[in-house]
Amino acid sequence: AAGVIQSPRHLIKEKRETATLKCYPIPRHDTVYWYQQGPGQDPQFLISFYEKMQSDKGSIPDRFSAQQFSDYHSELNMSSLELGDSALYFCASSLRELNTEAFFGQGTRLTVV
Amino acid sequence: KQEVTQIPAALSVPEGENLVLNCSFTDSAIYNLQWFRQDPGKGLTSLLLIQSSQREQTSGRLNASLDKSSGRSTLYIAASQPGDSATYLCAVSPLPLNTGGFKTIFGAGTRLFVKA
Repeated sequence: AAGVIQSPRHLIKEKRETATLKCYPIPRHDTVYWYQQGPGQDPQFLISFYEKMQSDKGSIPDRFSAQQFSDYHSELNMSSLELGDSALYFCASSLRELNTEAFFGQGTRLTVV
Repeated sequence: KQEVTQIPAALSVPEGENLVLNCSFTDSAIYNLQWFRQDPGKGLTSLLLIQSSQREQTSGRLNASLDKSSGRSTLYIAASQPGDSATYLCAVSPLPLNTGGFKTIFGAGTRLFVKA
């Protein structure tokens, strides 16, 4: 069965650069969530989208923005990168109906040097 | 504000032992609860999902229970194996928002090491 696909799997950027992470949800899933997991930390919710509209917002820095496109894939844009942005970024998707669960991708490991 | 706590933070057991991981949450108004496994530097693997109306779920050697009223869940692992060594994360999803979105709130995890 198809899972949530994230790309790239690994990314190395320098401070003040920009990074774009992509997430391709499970087919037919209409909701996408982004999480950030710092070293030794539990995943923290950043932002979610339902039907291409932002549905909830967590602890996402103003330097970050995200959107969901017409094919339901989502991109997380991160500008003016800081060393503290180094983390594992997870995307999850779900189908908005009762009893759905969120399926997580394998994550993108971002290292800012 | 929903908070998820996992005890113990770390656990080391000999192979073959049965063990219990604990998870507690402060707000009983949840949509579902999931247990995940995470290997070092890797992604999240969903192990079990318990809907708010359910009391337990089983998959192979794993059994997860949910007591919503007391805000507790346990993950029982039978006959542990070295391959079970990983971090186990408990996560709850609050009731969906009117906008249709809901987010998963994670505990800090229990790091399990099963000795051969």
